[in-house]
Amino acid sequence: NAGVTQTPKFQVLKTGQSMTLQCAQDMNHNSMYWYRQDPGMGLRLIYYSASEGTTDKGEVPNGYNVSRLNKREFSLRLESAAPSQTSVYFCASSERAGLANTEAFFGQGTRLTVV
Amino acid sequence: GNSVTQMEGPVTLSEEAFLTINCTYTATGYPSLFWYVQYPGEGLQLLLKATKADDKGSNKGFEATYRKETTSFHLEKGSVQVSDSAVYFCALKSGGSYIPTFGRGTSLIVHP
Repeated sequence: NAGVTQTPKFQVLKTGQSMTLQCAQDMNHNSMYWYRQDPGMGLRLIYYSASEGTTDKGEVPNGYNVSRLNKREFSLRLESAAPSQTSVYFCASSERAGLANTEAFFGQGTRLTVV
Repeated sequence: GNSVTQMEGPVTLSEEAFLTINCTYTATGYPSLFWYVQYPGEGLQLLLKATKADDKGSNKGFEATYRKETTSFHLEKGSVQVSDSAVYFCALKSGGSYIPTFGRGTSLIVHP
């Protein structure tokens, strides 16, 4: 009953380092998303993938790249981390892109600090 | 475009008090509406949803009614508990859209 699994749960990076956040879902969902959560800002969409093989920019894509490796996995890469990328990152998935009544399922988050 | 506006927090209540968290929206088409809850240190999880006008979603004593005439989906609970302390997010999803739209979240703190 895993749902959406994110790794790692915590990470500290130095400015300029790179890293990849991993996300996998076992619900056979088509759509997957990456959000960041900052105090007072709510959730902001970084990138999304409507279906396997497609990715699109969200509200705050600068400094990030994504890969939809297969239907299950959607990774987020920071090529050169900056302190402004200190945040909590959430991966989410939902069933059947384009259906209005399908809720999103979230992972437990990755707490990233860039020093 | 789609947007969700919810009341700013934190909302601070005593145990057994009545809770209302306001949520209004703008959307194209006929959206579905959701409330999510985020407990400390965790991801968001669905609390309740309503998929058409006048529907009432309910779960764990929480309720919200889809009001198309006022474009609102206010969250209510008759008697809150300390364990309800969390951040609550109102959200919508329009048919044909791949992306759920979230409000900024409202923090609820319940004191014993």
